[in-house]
Amino acid sequence: EAGVAQSPRYKIIEKRQSVAFWCNPISGHATLYWYQQILGQGPKLLIQFQNNGVVDDSQLPKDRFSAERLKGVDSTLKIQPAKLEDSAVYLCASSLDLGGTGDEQYFGPGTRLTVT
Amino acid sequence: AQTVTQSQPEMSVQEAETVTLSCTYDTSESNYYLFWYKQPPSRQMILVIRQEAYKQQNATENRFSVNFQKAAKSFSLKISDSQLGDTAMYFCAFMILRFGNEKLTFGTGTRLTIIP
Repeated sequence: EAGVAQSPRYKIIEKRQSVAFWCNPISGHATLYWYQQILGQGPKLLIQFQNNGVVDDSQLPKDRFSAERLKGVDSTLKIQPAKLEDSAVYLCASSLDLGGTGDEQYFGPGTRLTVT
Repeated sequence: AQTVTQSQPEMSVQEAETVTLSCTYDTSESNYYLFWYKQPPSRQMILVIRQEAYKQQNATENRFSVNFQKAAKSFSLKISDSQLGDTAMYFCAFMILRFGNEKLTFGTGTRLTIIP
């Protein structure tokens, strides 16, 4: 079974530029998550999709971050414009989501973003 | 709001020894799961072990076991016969069971180093 794929693995941009990250979840997984992991901290949920609908985006800075999940499969997370404090690893995860069962989340390798 | 606290930023033990990582959490919910995730250097995060809050029996997975104390809101991870491959960041995480909105809240992690 192929795992969660993310690209690019690394990205360096200047502040005020824009950047996009891509995620392909495990086939058949209904739920997709984007996390931000700042150095020295645990991952923080940015947005959660179930199929192609947003379940939770309460911690997404909507003035600069946006995300979509096309046809309930792949997802793209965009930052525009980037700030220095956006430097972090962006993790994508997916789960089968059987509902009420505490499904395991499978994580991708992450995209390390450096904003200079 | 739920919080997860890991009070040991770093730990190191000799190979083959036993080590215990601490985790406490705070919630008013009664129906939840607790997880330990492992993040090896430059590799993706994987699930180590999971505990359902309604189960009194502590979960075990080979060399990994937990000590779940619900009243004390404590969830420690014990690694027996530690191996070099156990070197990683370990994150304790909490999930409230709500159909269609089951998100993980992570602690800040413990960096574990196994010394040859």
